[in-house]
Amino acid sequence: AQSVTQPDIHITVSEGASLELRCNYSYGATPYLFWYVQSPGQGLQLLLKYFSGDTLVQGIKGFEAEFKRSQSSFNLRKPSVHWSDAAEYFCAGNTGGFKTIFGAGTRLFVKA
Amino acid sequence: KAGVTQTPRYLIKTRGQQVTLSCSPISGHRSVSWYQQTPGQGLQFLFEYFSETQRNKGNFPGRFSGRQFSNSRSEMNVSTLELGDSALYLCASSSTGFGFVNTGELFFGEGSRLTVL
Repeated sequence: AQSVTQPDIHITVSEGASLELRCNYSYGATPYLFWYVQSPGQGLQLLLKYFSGDTLVQGIKGFEAEFKRSQSSFNLRKPSVHWSDAAEYFCAGNTGGFKTIFGAGTRLFVKA
Repeated sequence: KAGVTQTPRYLIKTRGQQVTLSCSPISGHRSVSWYQQTPGQGLQFLFEYFSETQRNKGNFPGRFSGRQFSNSRSEMNVSTLELGDSALYLCASSSTGFGFVNTGELFFGEGSRLTVL
């Protein structure tokens, strides 16, 4: 069955430190992959997307993600975290069908 | 360009009642998807509509239904509400369809927060 897995339920990072959020997918073919961010009480905002081509994709707010086919992973990274990055992050996938599947989410806490 | 608009933003109902939620997609978007978000279950896919046709449906009971109008606006309805239906209901639109590659990129509204007492 198609699935997207985020193994970390929550992560705490110090402000200014680097961040990596993990995402693994299980699909028959390489899906289109996305990272979304959700602030409390809000909808989801797209951070970045991977369709094809370069395996390192740049997104908004200084985020980037690397697609690794051999590891079925699409990890999100940021070199220096800001307090305003505290939110919940969702990885998602779609193979061109009518249903986008989301991971369970990783809540990011940023400590001063 | 206006974003996805969901109404109402907040509502409180009691068990056994029914509720209708509305979603207006981004202008030009013809696909609308609905998701239920709860702390325990995360984002669960409810259904997706395109040109007034339901193309995909998640694993929810028949109490959950939806429809799409000719102007692409969509509504979802939950009948005979249960306590477990308390959730944030998110609507997302997409530019999938004729002339567009269906990539699954979604644009979300802020959601309708339903509390069932």
